[in-house]
This record gives sequence, C-alpha cells and structure tokens, in this order.
Amino acid sequence: GAGVSQSPSNKVTEKGKDVELRCDPISGHTALYWYRQRLGQGLEFLIYFQGNSAPDKSGLPSDRFSAERTGESVSTLTIQRTQQEDSAVYLCASSLGQDEQFFGPGTRLTVL
Amino acid sequence: AQSVTQPDIHITVSEGASLELRCNYSYGATPYLFWYVQSPGQGLQLLLKYFSGDTLVQGIKGFEAEFKRSQSSFNLRKPSVHWSDAAEYFCAVGAGRTGFQKLVFGTGTRLLVSP
Repeated sequence: GAGVSQSPSNKVTEKGKDVELRCDPISGHTALYWYRQRLGQGLEFLIYFQGNSAPDKSGLPSDRFSAERTGESVSTLTIQRTQQEDSAVYLCASSLGQDEQFFGPGTRLTVL
Repeated sequence: AQSVTQPDIHITVSEGASLELRCNYSYGATPYLFWYVQSPGQGLQLLLKYFSGDTLVQGIKGFEAEFKRSQSSFNLRKPSVHWSDAAEYFCAVGAGRTGFQKLVFGTGTRLLVSP
C-alpha cells in the first residue's frame, strides 16, 4: 500500500486480557515509531525502531508493554494484562532515514 | 528534555479571517520542527517542517510557519481560513540523539471555523 496501515482499527477488550496491535510501514522505510494518544491529549512517544532493533524504548510506560519488528517491516505492539488507563489511540509512523514521519490511521483501544 | 507548548487549547476563527496558532519549544540545539493536522477520524498529516535555512517555511493547504530562535517559537499562520481547516493542530519537535528518534508533541490546538 501507499501509506502506513494499522490493524485492527478498533479493539475492545476486557481488563486483564492481552492485546496485539499491528503496524505495516511504508515499504522501504527503515524507521518505525509507536505513539499513544489519550483522549483530548497530544501524542506520547512509546518506542522507536531502526531496522529491527529498538534503540529507544524510553516511552514504554510499563513492563506490560512490549514491541517487536521483523524483517525491517511489520511491527507488533503487545500490551499484557490491559488496564483501563491503557485505553487510547495507538498510532504508528514510519520514516525514511532522517526525515518526516508518516502516520497511520491508528488503532483505537478500549479496555472495559 | 525537549518540550513543546501550545498555549491555546481552542481557537475559533471566522471563515475568511486570518489564523495564527502559537507554538513554543524547549530544545538545546537547532530544532527540527513540524506542524501536523488531525481531522476527525483521520490520521496525522504533515503541514510543514523546518530543518534549517529560510526561517519562513511554506506548507500545504496555504499554511506557513516562521521559526524565531530568539523567541523559541514556530507559529503557524494562514491568511484566509476555510471551513475545511477545522481540525486539531499539533506542533512537534524532533528529539533523541539524532533529532529524529522521536517527536515530542504539544497538546494540540483545536480550530473551530465559524460561518
């Protein structure tokens, strides 16, 4: 596809369940980023991948959050034992080297 | 640590009037600065960016922004607002070791356009 895609677009889960969010970056983009946007707030950085390695994980809020990237392409953000405060829109972005980031449409996560 | 402040949470502008959205940043070196727009149900779209050079940068949809180092500001302007400009606007600064490892965002300004 031409842009960054994310799936699912919406996810409703029960407190305590694990969820996986997927990001497909623009083909050829070496850098991939995850952000979180809580209702009415700005975006918070979660993690940055360069290739398949993650040199900056400083934004992950707790050890319940993890992410991986394979084949310098798809990335998965996993949240274990979800809590209500995890409810947010999770946005993925990709970039080609040191340039602007292109964002996906996001996954809206609701934890009941 | 880098930070971005957008002091206006909401702004209402009449259609056809001019617009200025404020953004102040905190960053030690020359910053990489961005303005993104988020329309309802849409992802973020880049309006413009500043890396170096001319301090007045032109973007898409008739927007421009001016980098003022002395004021640590990067305000977004448009001479004549259209109803379709109603959206949330985010200012961001590049951060991390290279300046491109993450974006630090402001909390956003919601623009309302009145007829």
